[in-house]
Amino acid sequence: KNQVEQSPQSLIILEGKNCTLQCNYTVSPFSNLRWYKQDTGRGPVSLTIMTFSENTKSNGRYTATLDADTKQSSLHITASQLSDSASYICVAPKVGGSNYKLTFGKGTLLTVNP
Amino acid sequence: NAGVTQTPKFRVLKTGQSMTLLCAQDMNHEYMYWYRQDPGMGLRLIHYSVGEGTTAKGEVPDGYNVSRLKKQNFLLGLESAAPSQTSVYFCASSGPGTGVGRNTEAFFGQGTRLTVV
Repeated sequence: KNQVEQSPQSLIILEGKNCTLQCNYTVSPFSNLRWYKQDTGRGPVSLTIMTFSENTKSNGRYTATLDADTKQSSLHITASQLSDSASYICVAPKVGGSNYKLTFGKGTLLTVNP
Repeated sequence: NAGVTQTPKFRVLKTGQSMTLLCAQDMNHEYMYWYRQDPGMGLRLIHYSVGEGTTAKGEVPDGYNVSRLKKQNFLLGLESAAPSQTSVYFCASSGPGTGVGRNTEAFFGQGTRLTVV
């Protein structure tokens, strides 16, 4: 069973608008939660990494929040730009022994239209 | 400032052919990973390595082999390609020495698009 679920699956917004993407995770034990941006045809690029003790973390126009109690995270994009069109993937490393594996969600496909 | 480099970027194989995908990183990372990404699905881990000379199976290892003879290189081999292996393959690396779960950054290559006909 996929231990990371993202919503919505896809989203279309107008340039300049804000949006929020959601991620629910069930990975245990929890190490950290990451948001990646993946442009079409390219490898994922990290946006934020949040540890258990962090509630909010910003990277420019991207702000991630984490609620470890409800196991939910969100990624808020402010004043969207055309270049924000991409897949946004929530990742929750699964801690197992001395090895760490990334569990990837299917991602949210964001399209920003002019 | 190359980061993670994958070769080739594109390849078309006939069923039954073999090939090797090369991943090279210049960040002195201990951990390296091979993923595949299919339409409508997230990245799935094929194999990974926690150091030179070591490899381990991920979620979907069948039909693939890997080798990590040098710290900077991680090779993914397909001995007898099948149409089900048509996918985009991504390599990633992280470090130094503490693994992804310890809040270290993971860097991805640009991907290899493989088609098996």
